[in-house]
Amino acid sequence: SQQGEEDPQALSIQEGENATMNCSYKTSINNLQWYRQNSGRGLVHLILIRSNEREKHSGRLRVTLDTSKKSSSLLITASRAADTASYFCATLLVQGAQKLVFGQGTRLTINP
Amino acid sequence: EAEVAQSPRYKITEKSQAVAFWCDPISGHATLYWYRQILGQGPELLVQFQDESVVDDSQLPKDRFSAERLKGVDSTLKIQPAELGDSAMYLCASSPTRGIYGYTFGSGTRLTVV
Repeated sequence: SQQGEEDPQALSIQEGENATMNCSYKTSINNLQWYRQNSGRGLVHLILIRSNEREKHSGRLRVTLDTSKKSSSLLITASRAADTASYFCATLLVQGAQKLVFGQGTRLTINP
Repeated sequence: EAEVAQSPRYKITEKSQAVAFWCDPISGHATLYWYRQILGQGPELLVQFQDESVVDDSQLPKDRFSAERLKGVDSTLKIQPAELGDSAMYLCASSPTRGIYGYTFGSGTRLTVV
């Protein structure tokens, strides 16, 4: 079952520009996490935002969470070629075995 | 920096054969997860362990898939018999405890069934 949906599915920008990716989800969450995946590799945890938090920063990353709209956004500022990757949001469900459910991802390409 | 170890990195097998994947989580991490990722999609949870116990295997195709974590440390995921539709990346992840921390993923095993 699909919990998170990222938008856009693909994004291509010039190096130095900011990249914004959005994530919407359906059911109540404990927290929301963002991961990066380089082609053919495992996922790397970027940032975690709890359901009672509205904004969080880590280096060039800024994450917002709006639980009333069941949505989150990931902003990468001053993008670099090395930021080229797929980005996934994942939601930790409140109920059951606390399953972390991933969306389909946004494919980000940074052009030099 | 501590890593989640997975092997093999790549595996090609014929349909109807058995295949197994191994994962060694970060030392001290009580929770271990197996995810399957089909090309172009997000990872899907197959099974979640807390120490040696399965806490969620609702998406594991139990007629052909099995997973174990006998001593609560490393884990093995097995497929028997493999089908063409099993071709995917199999990812293992671990965390200190359920939910409140981000997961550390291994590099995955790329399975191709021919």
